[in-house]
Amino acid sequence: GAVVSQHPSRVICKSGTSVKIECRSLDFQATTMFWYRQFPKQSLMLMATSNEGSKATYEQGVEKDKFLINHASLTLSTLTVTSAHPEDSSFYICSARDNRARYNEQFFGPGTRLTVL
Amino acid sequence: QKEVEQDPGPLSVPEGAIVSLNCTYSNSAFQYFMWYRQYSRKGPELLMYTYSSGNKEDGRFTAQVDKSSKYISLFIRDSQPSDSATYLCAFGQAGTALIFGKGTTLSVSS
Repeated sequence: GAVVSQHPSRVICKSGTSVKIECRSLDFQATTMFWYRQFPKQSLMLMATSNEGSKATYEQGVEKDKFLINHASLTLSTLTVTSAHPEDSSFYICSARDNRARYNEQFFGPGTRLTVL
Repeated sequence: QKEVEQDPGPLSVPEGAIVSLNCTYSNSAFQYFMWYRQYSRKGPELLMYTYSSGNKEDGRFTAQVDKSSKYISLFIRDSQPSDSATYLCAFGQAGTALIFGKGTTLSVSS
């Protein structure tokens, strides 16, 4: 149980285009999902907390107009990187908190590697 | 003082060794203590979680929490090359996102 999927796993795009990344909880419901980015050999950096049916909460320094988050259902959250630029190239990982979780544990997706040319 | 501190390593050990990974924290409000394993270019995988001081064992892995010293450890017995990964400690409170350590990179050589 507690499987989280992400799609796509890898995307290469031209500068100026928008890219949408999907995060799905496959066998549980997740009121809350989280989006992280990770640079090579760096730790996870929390970008935003996504709550189903409400606006996402962004961490300081993360542009909400650039990184659009939608959490339309209890099993799906999407991150759209708008007008992507090479500096947005990174590994984006989502996680989901199982509504039944006792210890607040989060389960991670496999990540999406974004390369902006 | 940083909220969470974790030695980034890298840590290199021979196969069969006992590995000790550690994190310290400063926020006494943390209620949940976890360890995640992350292989290169993959998402983190939850290994162990606990909420109380003491030891919790799962196979070759033992998670230890000392709330009085604000210190948690992950021990790996009989380490295998497949244990080579980055290990992240994580701390949580009800209703908030987890706080992660920077991760310790472990390499187990055969």
